[in-house]
Amino acid sequence: NAGVTQTPKFQVLKTGQSMTLQCAQDMNHNSMYWYRQDPGMGLRLIYYSASEGTTDKGEVPNGYNVSRLNKREFSLRLESAAPSQTSVYFCASSIGLAAVSYNEQFFGPGTRLTVL
Amino acid sequence: AQKITQTQPGMFVQEKEAVTLDCTYDTSDQSYGLFWYKQPSSGEMIFLIYQGSYDEQNATEGRYSLNFQKARKSANLVISASQLGDSAMYFCAMREVSPGSNYQLIWGAGTKLIIKP
Repeated sequence: NAGVTQTPKFQVLKTGQSMTLQCAQDMNHNSMYWYRQDPGMGLRLIYYSASEGTTDKGEVPNGYNVSRLNKREFSLRLESAAPSQTSVYFCASSIGLAAVSYNEQFFGPGTRLTVL
Repeated sequence: AQKITQTQPGMFVQEKEAVTLDCTYDTSDQSYGLFWYKQPSSGEMIFLIYQGSYDEQNATEGRYSLNFQKARKSANLVISASQLGDSAMYFCAMREVSPGSNYQLIWGAGTKLIIKP
């Protein structure tokens, strides 16, 4: 039981390059999330997927796209990377987006992305 | 708009002492949940403790307890008998669950805790 896995762990891009961050969970969770973490700031939600087949924008969606490939996998794509997208990216999952207050999110190990 | 404030950017605490990490939140909703996560230098996010807005008792998980003061909108994390391995960033987060909310976690900026031997 690996929990939430992310690939790659590290990536360096040049401005304008594109790439896709991969995320998978094996906990049969319905909801998945992509966050970015910048120094001195808390996590900020980029996109989320409440359930398979749905995706919604979070707080900072500009410059990103997502795909909920199936229940297990949720990918994040940078079409044209910019230095402002240098950050640590976390994928997370939870049982669901139900209206119950206890809904712990489980996190992947993160991807450190540098855009030159 | 909902907001989480952690006023202590960094703290130094002597090993074996208790430590309190502050968290205040702002919400107009009656139903919400409060979470604390730990992020060690290795980078992963580790769930520590949860408190529901309707929970009458303060949550406890081993050495972690949550000092929940609803009227003051504070949810401070207390770590008893601190250990060197407690050195990490600590994040407070809130999730609203009232009808019409988007159920998303809102995160504070974090507190960097360093335990001195």
